[in-house]
Parts: sequence; structure tokens; C-alpha cells
Amino acid sequence: DIQMTQSPSSLSASVGDRVTITCRASQDISNYLNWYQQKPGKAPHLLVYAASNLESGVPSRFSGTGSGTDFTLTIASLQPEDFATYYCQQSYSRPVTFGQGTKLDIK
Amino acid sequence: EVQLSESGGRLVQPGESLRLSCAASGFIFSRHAMSWVRQAPGKGLEWISAISGNAGSAYDADSVKGRFTISRDNSKSRLYLQMKSLRAEDTAVYYCVKDRNPLLRGVTYNFDSWGQGTLVTVSS
Repeated sequence: DIQMTQSPSSLSASVGDRVTITCRASQDISNYLNWYQQKPGKAPHLLVYAASNLESGVPSRFSGTGSGTDFTLTIASLQPEDFATYYCQQSYSRPVTFGQGTKLDIK
Repeated sequence: EVQLSESGGRLVQPGESLRLSCAASGFIFSRHAMSWVRQAPGKGLEWISAISGNAGSAYDADSVKGRFTISRDNSKSRLYLQMKSLRAEDTAVYYCVKDRNPLLRGVTYNFDSWGQGTLVTVSS
């Protein structure tokens, strides 16, 4: 199975900050990498697919980069509604696997 | 608007069986692969089963292989998860999720729509 490791596991930041979350795969997954946002008590929501493609309706302050084993999700200027948990997920091979999550909270 | 609505979750005892259902609307159900993803309380996300749009292929994670069976009824736009021999570690919120890209065969595992989830609790 491909292991996905996110860092950091938690992060405190302020509104307006630029934030970067990283995700590392245990083997080359090309660009088969998705990012999701989950708020407490809610289902996850797709933000970025295929490493760098913004899902329709997702604000442009979100961006994804990377290929191979190293990926990043960047939020250019944090807004109050961005405080949530973020997960990466590889869709390269079964079983598809998720990172452990990065909890982003208000400083 | 895509809507996915799960049902069937409840408290069951270890060893019992349960069937989850997911009603889908707002898209051509038969053209999209579907999956079940679960989340144990306070934990991360775990993909457990997927089925292609035409129901010709189904895939399971090792953690549920031989105990859980995914199926679909395209005439009713419904997805199912039959769960047997339930264990305490199966306790989780179970999400019905839709593949982003239409694909008659195969699964892309880009999950663009999620239901609200249904809670399964396995406890004596």
C-alpha cells in the first residue's frame, strides 16, 4: 500500500496568513493526488484534483503543486472559513489511501 | 445539483450484519463509479469499497474483503454496502462518494461529491 504522510499534523495561523501543507507519498504517484477540506461534523469537500487542478467553485486562493512523491497545498491568504482539517489522497493505485490530516486552527 | 443521501446506519452487536443504502440524484448515476469511504470517530479517512458505473467491477480494501459487498442498482440510482461479521473496529461514519469523471468501466478515485454520512456503531 502507498503511504501518504502529511506535515504538519496541526497548524495555527491567522486570517490573512499564507499557509502551506505538504504531503509525501511512499512511492512515485505521478500527479494522482487530490486534496480535500473537512469541517467538523461535515463531509469532506474536494479542493484540488490531479495535484494542481482546482475543483469548480473552489476559491482561487487555494492552489496545489507537485508530482512524483512530494506535493503541497497552499492557501494564499487565509479566510475565517478556511479553518478546517485538510487531507491528501492518492488515486494512483488501490487501495487508495489518505494522509492522516492537517488540522488548521486559528492562532 | 448532485445529492447523495446515506441511510441504514445504527447500533449493532459484534458479528451482526447491516446494509447501508445511498440514494443518488442530480447526475447520470450509471456513468459514474461510486465508492464507500469511512471515518472512525476522531480519526482519518479510509476508502473501503468501489464499484464501476456499469457494476462490472468491484474492489475492496483488505480490511473489509470477504465481509463487505458493494453493489448498485442503476435503475434506482442507488448504491449499497452489505456488511457482515461486523467488528468494533468497523465503527465509523460511512460516506457514499461519487467519482468525478464519468467512466463506464473502471474507477478514477477522484471523489467530487460526498453524502452526509451514516453512523455505524458496533458494540455489545
